Amino acid sequence: RKEVEQDPGPFNVPEGATVAFNCTYSNSASQSFFWYRQDCRKEPKLLMSVYSSGNEDGRFTAQLNRASQYISLLIRDSKLSDSATYLCVVSRALRDDKIIFGKGTRLHILP
Amino acid sequence: NAGVTQTPKFRVLKTGQSMTLLCAQDMNHEYMYWYRQDPGMGLRLIHYSVGEGTTAKGEVPDGYNVSRLKKQNFLLGLESAAPSQTSVYFCASSSSQRSSYNSPLHFGNGTRLTVT
Repeated sequence: RKEVEQDPGPFNVPEGATVAFNCTYSNSASQSFFWYRQDCRKEPKLLMSVYSSGNEDGRFTAQLNRASQYISLLIRDSKLSDSATYLCVVSRALRDDKIIFGKGTRLHILP
Repeated sequence: NAGVTQTPKFRVLKTGQSMTLLCAQDMNHEYMYWYRQDPGMGLRLIHYSVGEGTTAKGEVPDGYNVSRLKKQNFLLGLESAAPSQTSVYFCASSSSQRSSYNSPLHFGNGTRLTVT
C-alpha cells in the first residue's frame, strides 16, 4: 500500500459547484498534514494546513480523520482559477525527514 | 522578496555530461531539499540537508550528489547525466521546525532538464 494515496482524477466540475477530494495515508505515526496546489508547469505552493479540529480558509475547508487515516479538501463555489493539481502532503514526527507527497488530484473547472 | 531561487530554469544535456543545479534561499531556513517530479510519479526526494555542512540521502539519490557549504545554498550535481534523469527538479526549503505546521515547504520555480 502506498504511504499517501490520492485519486488522480481528473475531476471536471462546472464553475460554481462544490468539489471534494480525499487523501488516505498508511502510517499512523503521521503528525502533520497539508494540501498544496500546483499549477501546470509551476512549483507546488502551500494551500492550507490540515488541523485535527478541521479548518477553513474562505471557500476551502480541510478535515482530518485520524481514525480512518484520511484527510479531505472541500472547495465551495469553485472558480475557473481553482483549476490545478492538488497535492496531499503528510509528514511524520518533528525530527523525521519523511515528508510524503501524494501524486496529486487534477481539477478542471469548466465554464 | 526572492524566497527560493533555482538556476538554471532549463537545460539540455547529452548523456555523460555533468552539470550543477543551484538553489538559493534568503529566508534563513535550516532545511533544504531537492525533489524530482516525473509524470505519474509525483514528487520524489533526492537529497536533503538539515543544516550547513550536512546532507543526507532521500528516496532516489543514485546518480546525484549534493553540497551545502553555505546555509543559503544547496547544490545538486549530476556527474554523468543519463536519459533517466530527464525530469523537472524542484528545490525547497523550510525553517528549523522541520515537518511541523509552522514550517511548510517553500519551493523554487523548478529546473527542466532534458538528457538526450
